Amino acid sequence: DTGVSQDPRHKITKRGQNVTFRCDPISEHNRLYWYRQTLGQGPEFLTYFQNEAQLEKSRLLSDRFSAERPKGSFSTLEIQRTEQGDSAMYLCASSFSQSSYNEQFFGPGTRLTVL
Amino acid sequence: AQSVSQHNHHVILSEAASLELGCNYSYGGTVNLFWYVQYPGQHLQLLLKYFSGDPLVKGIKGFEAEFIKSKFSFNLRKPSVQWSDTAEYFCAAGSSNTGKLIFGQGTTLQVKP
Repeated sequence: DTGVSQDPRHKITKRGQNVTFRCDPISEHNRLYWYRQTLGQGPEFLTYFQNEAQLEKSRLLSDRFSAERPKGSFSTLEIQRTEQGDSAMYLCASSFSQSSYNEQFFGPGTRLTVL
Repeated sequence: AQSVSQHNHHVILSEAASLELGCNYSYGGTVNLFWYVQYPGQHLQLLLKYFSGDPLVKGIKGFEAEFIKSKFSFNLRKPSVQWSDTAEYFCAAGSSNTGKLIFGQGTTLQVKP
């Protein structure tokens, strides 16, 4: 499968714990995006990378959230000291900046439940 | 502020009925417009996109959308829906520079056989 993959698909954690999610983009894509989706809402932009550089972060991304893309390939999203309000689906998408329309391809998401 | 608004949250249709889902956007600068679909148990997939040129764009599975700049709208249409069109539909506006997407709240479409 050459699509965007995310791991894990589901994560249940207790409030206060740290969690880390991984996203593997389509191999030739240089842009990688993270979004968060809560029930009944559309995805909300969190942050994006072009190669290894993090170019934009949403105000939704509190200081408990950190994302990295160290080698310009896979990315990790870490949430420290999780809160119940962090429960959501975390989506990753990738694209190729040189394409004419920068189409984003989405992964299956990681569903986080904070108890 | 950038935003995308979808008028219908839940639509129920019978097979062969016509579909129109409303989408309005507020976005400064050059905007690209998209409709994504999420079938039950699957991830988001691109249905169609508008960047420039002909304001009537055609996508997969018989869907089309019309960009009306004066109304800041990008409504999705299909002349005759099928049961397999049951899914959640998201309208999105994207930056032509960064590609960052702003999504609407989504519309759940249920097609009754």
